[in-house]
Amino acid sequence: AQSVSQHNHHVILSEAASLELGCNYSYGGTVNLFWYVQYPGQHLQLLLKYFSGDPLVKGIKGFEAEFIKSKFSFNLRKPSVQWSDTAEYFCAVNALHGGTASKLTFGTGTRLQVTL
Amino acid sequence: KAGVTQTPRYLIKTRGQQVTLSCSPISGHRSVSWYQQTPGQGLQFLFEYFSETQRNKGNFPGRFSGRQFSNSRSEMNVSTLELGDSALYLCASSLTGAASLNTEAFFGQGTRLTVV
Repeated sequence: AQSVSQHNHHVILSEAASLELGCNYSYGGTVNLFWYVQYPGQHLQLLLKYFSGDPLVKGIKGFEAEFIKSKFSFNLRKPSVQWSDTAEYFCAVNALHGGTASKLTFGTGTRLQVTL
Repeated sequence: KAGVTQTPRYLIKTRGQQVTLSCSPISGHRSVSWYQQTPGQGLQFLFEYFSETQRNKGNFPGRFSGRQFSNSRSEMNVSTLELGDSALYLCASSLTGAASLNTEAFFGQGTRLTVV
């Protein structure tokens, strides 16, 4: 079964610091990869997604992620965080298993706290 | 285009009762998935419905059930509520669901269920 690991559970950064959140998945076949963000009191929103092609994916609000197939990783990055980036971030993977229905599997999330 | 709508937003129930949650997907979306979100477990997949058929199911007891109507609206039912069922229940809709790659899920704001 596919699984997703997010290594950082809680990250605290000062404004303008750079961000990298780790995400590793376990599945050797074709995958779709996603990063979702959940701001306090709001619903899950898609930050960015990887389906195929260029492994460097750019999303909303200056976020980007790089898909490294050999490392089964899809790390999220942002060069300079803002206080408004305080939120919980979820990595997710979708994969087909022998052509049968799959499901979107989420990591446990990383809570990012940005201080002024 | 209206987003995914979940009702009610908040619910307080007593242990042993049953509850029904509702989800209206984005117009044209035929797949609805349900997730349970708790601080300790993160987002856990409950089940997915596509064209009124349950296509995939997570590892939850039979007290958790769902259905989908011909207009793609979905309901989730939990019977004999337990304290541990307290969680945020999220609904996600997509055009074709997780059984197809290269599809994106859109989430509702969730129903916060508290069991006392």
